[in-house]
Amino acid sequence: GAVVSQHPSRVICKSGTSVKIECRSLDFQATTMFWYRQFPKKSLMLMATSNEGSKATYEQGVEKDKFLINHASLTLSTLTVTSAHPEDSSFYICSARDSTTLSNQPQHFGDGTRLSIL
Amino acid sequence: AQTVTQSQPEMSVQEAETVTLSCTYDTSENNYYLFWYKQPPSRQMILVIRQEAYKQQNATENRFSVNFQKAAKSFSLKISDSQLGDTAMYFCAFIPPQGGSEKLVFGKGTKLTVNP
Repeated sequence: GAVVSQHPSRVICKSGTSVKIECRSLDFQATTMFWYRQFPKKSLMLMATSNEGSKATYEQGVEKDKFLINHASLTLSTLTVTSAHPEDSSFYICSARDSTTLSNQPQHFGDGTRLSIL
Repeated sequence: AQTVTQSQPEMSVQEAETVTLSCTYDTSENNYYLFWYKQPPSRQMILVIRQEAYKQQNATENRFSVNFQKAAKSFSLKISDSQLGDTAMYFCAFIPPQGGSEKLVFGKGTKLTVNP
């Protein structure tokens, strides 16, 4: 079945560092991928929609320059947290849907990345 | 605004018993898609069941079934013969087809604990 691979699963780094998270669709093409942030014991908050070959669409309140998204191919989207600070520590999850299927088919989620900024 | 409401922050059930998680949503659309996702402690998001709004028949997947009441905008999840592995956060979600958008709108989740 469809699988989405997210890497790394866990990262710990110092304040001021930029961190890149990758989201890959392993056996399907995805023109659109989604990036979520999840705080402890909370629901998923959509940060942005990643569009292959064009600019990402950010949700209200999400800083574009802080969370850079690149979707350079049909199977890969990256989220870069620039100059990360402790308040950026969170669980980040990506999702993707097979672009060749009907829109009622579900999104598939990566396993998430736990980001800890010291 | 399109919203999803899960009114039960936490629930518990005894192993082998049945439990129902509630979900209501608000939309002016006539056609849309509804989902239940499960997030165990491993934090992986797993699709449990889905329903197309134009289908009157309630979806079922083994021990999981839904009670979809379109007029009431209700989409509850019933778990039969609960198992310890069902312990997880459960999120209700829907996709409102706004100009082809595929954005999932999530509820706040219900933490389900299955007790031995």
